[in-house]
Amino acid sequence: QVQLQESGPGLVKPSGTLSLTCTVSGGSIGSYYWNYIRQPPGKGLEWIGYIYYSGTTNYNPSLKSRVTISLDTPKNQVSLKLSSLTAADTAVYFCARRGVGPTGFDYWGQGTLVTVS
Amino acid sequence: DIQMTQSPSSLSASVGDRVTITCRASQPISNYLNWYQQKPGKAPNLLINGASSLQSGVPSRFSGGGSGTDFTLTISSLQPEDFATYFCQQIYRTPYTFGQGTKLEF
Repeated sequence: QVQLQESGPGLVKPSGTLSLTCTVSGGSIGSYYWNYIRQPPGKGLEWIGYIYYSGTTNYNPSLKSRVTISLDTPKNQVSLKLSSLTAADTAVYFCARRGVGPTGFDYWGQGTLVTVS
Repeated sequence: DIQMTQSPSSLSASVGDRVTITCRASQPISNYLNWYQQKPGKAPNLLINGASSLQSGVPSRFSGGGSGTDFTLTISSLQPEDFATYFCQQIYRTPYTFGQGTKLEF
């Protein structure tokens, strides 16, 4: 059974950098898109970006200047860095897996709340 | 960006009811449309892939339809565990975007 687990600080200062790691267990990184999505408290879902197992990345233009997603394949980990934080970046951050074609995000981490304050 | 608009934003229903939620894309997206269920404090759970394909393990009372710009999610007979928030998502073009959500309540 594939499982995803996010980890990282729950509180970050304004103007600082958020760093999260998503550890994948029960399966490999290969042949999938690895996504980050966030959800401000009580609000909807915003896609942040993905990294393909080959290393290709694609970011939401609204965040592109501040986002980096990277892979550590031997450790089965996907990492997110988001810089120049403001209170508007306070959200639950999820990692999620997607296959190729018209498929959805089939496995998600449990999410981690990051507060910018 | 492709805008996804769901209706209604909230829906009151009872156990056993048949309910339909609609999702409209601001431009054609073929069948690159997914549906998710989210319960409070949990991650979204994938229900429907490719507009109409039921994800493995999802009960058959859930069904999806549509293509192009107009899509539906139907629950044929509501069960107590179905009261949650539902989101549509397009994966036709990045940035991937979600609908604003439909909250299904008693």
